[in-house]
Amino acid sequence: DIQLTQSPSFLSASVGDRVTITCRASQAISSYLAWYQQKPGKAPKLLIYAASTLHSGVPSRFSGSGSRTEFTLTISSLQPEDFATYSCQQLNSYPWTFGQGTKVEIK
Amino acid sequence: EVQLVESGGGLVQPGVSLRLSCAGSGFTFSSFGMNWVRQAPGKGLEWVSFISNSGNIYYADSVKGRFITSRDNAKNSVYLLMNSLRVEDTAVYYCARDRGFNSGRTLAFDIWGQGTMVTVSA
Repeated sequence: DIQLTQSPSFLSASVGDRVTITCRASQAISSYLAWYQQKPGKAPKLLIYAASTLHSGVPSRFSGSGSRTEFTLTISSLQPEDFATYSCQQLNSYPWTFGQGTKVEIK
Repeated sequence: EVQLVESGGGLVQPGVSLRLSCAGSGFTFSSFGMNWVRQAPGKGLEWVSFISNSGNIYYADSVKGRFITSRDNAKNSVYLLMNSLRVEDTAVYYCARDRGFNSGRTLAFDIWGQGTMVTVSA
């Protein structure tokens, strides 16, 4: 199975900060990576697919990059509604797997 | 409005069976593959199963041989029959729509239900 490791697991930041989350795959997955945002008690929401394509309706402050084994999710200017947990997911091969999540907290 | 609504969760004892349902609305259900994803309390997301629009099915190793996924396009629904439940199956179970964005393969899960809690405890 392909393992995804996110770093950091926890991140403390202030409104307006630029935030970067990294997702590393245990083997090459081309660009078959998606990012999700999840708030407590709620279902995940799709942010980015194919590593860098912004899903419809997602604010442009979110961006994704990377390929093969290393990927990043960047929030250019953190907003109050962005405090949440972010997870990456590989869709290169079964079983599809998720990273362990990165919790973004208010500093 | 495009939405998915899960039902069927509850508190059960180890070894019993439980069937979850997921009803879709606001889109052409028969055209999309569907997934089940679970999240144990305080843990990350775990993909459980996928059923394509044509009925091909895949499972995670952790549930293979115990869980059965099916769909009824006439009812716009997908089901997860969970047999021989274990304590470690305790989780919120989500159904999620498979999306290929015209690529011919899955690129993401774009619509998620609100989830249904399954608790397996003696």
